[in-house]
Amino acid sequence: GQQLNQSPQSMFIQEGEDVSMNCTSSSIFNTWLWYKQEPGEGPVLLIALYKAGELTSNGRLTAQFGITRKDSFLNISASIPSDVGIYFCAGRSSPSGTYKYIFGTGTRLKVLA
Amino acid sequence: DAGVIQSPRHEVTEMGQEVTLRCKPISGHDYLFWYRQTMMRGLELLIYFNNNVPIDDSGMPEDRFSAKMPNASFSTLKIQPSEPRDSAVYFCASSFSLASTDTQYFGPGTRLTVL
Repeated sequence: GQQLNQSPQSMFIQEGEDVSMNCTSSSIFNTWLWYKQEPGEGPVLLIALYKAGELTSNGRLTAQFGITRKDSFLNISASIPSDVGIYFCAGRSSPSGTYKYIFGTGTRLKVLA
Repeated sequence: DAGVIQSPRHEVTEMGQEVTLRCKPISGHDYLFWYRQTMMRGLELLIYFNNNVPIDDSGMPEDRFSAKMPNASFSTLKIQPSEPRDSAVYFCASSFSLASTDTQYFGPGTRLTVL
C-alpha cells in the first residue's frame, strides 16, 4: 500500500539532545498526525495538525504542518530515556467518499542515558 | 474511558486454521478501522466501517480475509484458512467522525503467528 516517507529511519541520541524528524508525501494532505508506538502496544496519538503552517506543541514535542501541505515535522526537545519508541506520521487528504490515513514508514528512536 | 479493546492479545495457530480477532471500539465512535502491521509493509489499512457498514475494504488482501461489525460495540476480523504470511500485528482503531478535526485511536493490537 501507499506509504509516506519518513526520515531518518532510525536515530541513536544521547539523553538531553534534541530530535528532529520529518515526513514527506507526494500528495497534499489536510490533516497530519504524529503517533508514538512502544513495543507490544498500539500507536498512541501525540499531536494532530489541521492547517498548513500550523505549529503545535505537546510538552517537549512540537510538530509543524508544512506550508506546501506535503510534509510535516516533529521535534522533541531535551530527550529522555522514555522517549524511546517508533514515531509514525500519518496524513489524510480531504474526504471524498473514503476515509483513509496513510502512514509513514516510522522513525525508530533510541535514547542513550 | 477504556479505550479500544482487542482480543486476544496474542494468537498462535497452525496453517489452515481459522483465526478470529475481536475488537470493541470506544463508545460513541462511529468509525472502526482494521490495520495490519508488518516489518516489511508497515501499517496498512485493511477495512473500515461507518455505523457498522463496511465502507472501504480495498485493503483486504484476499478472500481469505473477512470482517464484520454486527453492532456498534463489536467487530471481528476473520482469516480462513490462515497462512504463515498472515503473521503480523493486527490493530483495531476507532474515531468519532469524518471531520478533519477528528482523529483515530488505536487498540493494543493482536499479535498473530501462523506456523
